[in-house]
Amino acid sequence: AQKITQTQPGMFVQEKEAVTLDCTYDTSDPSYGLFWYKQPSSGEMIFLIYQGSYDQQNATEGRYSLNFQKARKSANLVISASQLGDSAMYFCAMIGATNAGKSTFGDGTTLTVKP
Amino acid sequence: SQTIHQWPATLVQPVGSPLSLECTVEGTSNPNLYWYRQAAGRGLQLLFYSVGIGQISSEVPQNLSASRPQDRQFILSSKKLLLSDSGFYLCAWRRPGTGLTYEQYFGPGTRLTVT
Repeated sequence: AQKITQTQPGMFVQEKEAVTLDCTYDTSDPSYGLFWYKQPSSGEMIFLIYQGSYDQQNATEGRYSLNFQKARKSANLVISASQLGDSAMYFCAMIGATNAGKSTFGDGTTLTVKP
Repeated sequence: SQTIHQWPATLVQPVGSPLSLECTVEGTSNPNLYWYRQAAGRGLQLLFYSVGIGQISSEVPQNLSASRPQDRQFILSSKKLLLSDSGFYLCAWRRPGTGLTYEQYFGPGTRLTVT
């Protein structure tokens, strides 16, 4: 079984500052993938970034980076230079090698960027 | 490019009435298809998963059912809605196979209110 835990229901950040959204996971799969998605108030889920369990380097996509600490089973999302448009709900998710492509999602973190 | 459509966008139905939500994907073949439900302020609960026409995996026992009559069409149904069926329903697709690197692409969602 897989589990994703996001312990921050809500976070606030000042515009142009960096923010870290926490994600811890649990799985018995030796290989897995970790994803972050953004859900604006419109409801649509938007893929942000991916990290593979065997990737040696932390993933980066523009202002998004993933702080992957495999031994601690954490995959925190770092957003640099926050913008007002970053205000949204953020979900961490994982797929394991043995679960046929089915994702497990956390409960999400609501990020509010203050001007 | 690939697109995913869902309809209707919003729906208000009385308890005991039937339900049919439709999802179609364009621009890809043999996608993996998913139905999720999201309660207000919560994460995504996987309801159904399909790897091909007529192949449906149910993840959670409930009064909902799913069908995949065509390669890129996924339908969520109920014969009699319950109040607890209210929520935000998201359809998603993913490239075929079980590659860990494949992210999911989500439709715009259907907001269902059962009264």
